[in-house]
Amino acid sequence: GENVEQHPSTLSVQEGDSAVIKCTYSDSASNYFPWYKQELGKRPQLIIDIRSNVGEKKDQRIAVTLNKTAKHFSLHITETQPEDSAVYFCAAKGYSTLTFGKGTMLLVSP
Amino acid sequence: SAVISQKPSRDICQRGTSLTIQCQVDSQVTMMFWYRQQPGQSLTLIATANQGSEATYESGFVIDKFPISRPNLTFSTLTVSNMSPEDSSIYLCSVVGQGSNQPQHFGDGTRLSIL
Repeated sequence: GENVEQHPSTLSVQEGDSAVIKCTYSDSASNYFPWYKQELGKRPQLIIDIRSNVGEKKDQRIAVTLNKTAKHFSLHITETQPEDSAVYFCAAKGYSTLTFGKGTMLLVSP
Repeated sequence: SAVISQKPSRDICQRGTSLTIQCQVDSQVTMMFWYRQQPGQSLTLIATANQGSEATYESGFVIDKFPISRPNLTFSTLTVSNMSPEDSSIYLCSVVGQGSNQPQHFGDGTRLSIL
């Protein structure tokens, strides 16, 4: 089955800095890669996703890049703000179900 | 996106008892899933709830422990049976809406504690 590795497990940045979270996947058939943000005690919320026919996608301060050859994808957050502090999960989907990474706790200090 | 309502939001139960969690969506959805999230951990898929037929369980999860129903396109239940302290976790309903390339969304979850 699919295996998704996510790094780093924790990331601390200063407000205004950029943050990058990286994931790798094992199944070359995977074709959909969403990212979820989960604040403490809240539901995971979809923040951005990318499909395998696209190399990059942006939404304001958030961007995701995908390298199918290397089987890795990354989340980029620019101009970080304290409200970006949360746990971020990457996921990969091939035939039917999502496989999640272990999560990255992002802490943005004012 | 669809509004997903889960009940109860939290519960404290005695070991050996069972609890049924409900997931109601405000629109018809294609797929419904049940996940477990232990404190500080990632999301683990328990099963895919199939309308009108038996759920599809992931490795390590069995129907006798986690019976699931999905009578229609907007509703599903997950029962946690014969609970033990190891079942203390957050249980989340997740859905994929109808139409092509629809994303997957999560409910607020049910926080379950077993004494």
